[in-house]
Amino acid sequence: DAGVTQSPTHLIKTRGQQVTLRCSPKSGHDTVSWYQQALGQGPQFIFQYYEEEERQRGNFPDRFSGHQFPNYSSELNVNALLLGDSALYLCASTINRGKNTEAFFGQGTRLTVV
Amino acid sequence: GNSVTQMEGPVTLSEEAFLTINCTYTATGYPSLFWYVQYPGEGLQLLLKATKADDKGSNKGFEATYRKETTSFHLEKGSVQVSDSAVYFCALNDYKLSFGAGTTVTVRA
Repeated sequence: DAGVTQSPTHLIKTRGQQVTLRCSPKSGHDTVSWYQQALGQGPQFIFQYYEEEERQRGNFPDRFSGHQFPNYSSELNVNALLLGDSALYLCASTINRGKNTEAFFGQGTRLTVV
Repeated sequence: GNSVTQMEGPVTLSEEAFLTINCTYTATGYPSLFWYVQYPGEGLQLLLKATKADDKGSNKGFEATYRKETTSFHLEKGSVQVSDSAVYFCALNDYKLSFGAGTTVTVRA
């Protein structure tokens, strides 16, 4: 079992550009959530996808959008990148949306905006 | 809204010392509580969890008890090892995870 896989592992983008990050959930998991982790801070919830729809959203602007595919994999898109978007982006997968279930995390994508 | 406040670090200990990391939470519902750990160069992984009041989660010698009356979920380990050096995150799950800022723990031999 490969667990949660994210790509790419590192990325450097210029202000104003757009970026797409990808996530494949753990086998058997149907729910994917995305988090932003700034340096020295805890992860912040961006949004959650289940059955190909955004089910919950954190306090992030509309520049952050996502998608879930029929095979449960997911993408995170960020438009009009700002320097403050530089962070580690984590994908987590769970079986269903329950609050008791363990979330499995990927290694993350380190995004640097210059 | 939901939030988690955990003890600020960094924390530096000698091997076999007792470790406590304080965590308190604010929640409108009845969340589950978790401790996640991030070892150097690795991703977040679940250390332990508790799903209702008075539950005790335990794993690898670590323990934490869900205290509803004090809205706390403090992490403890009686005798730490160098291999316990990591960043520890307290989190609550009310259908999405809300994390504390993390506590960096360094254990010296």
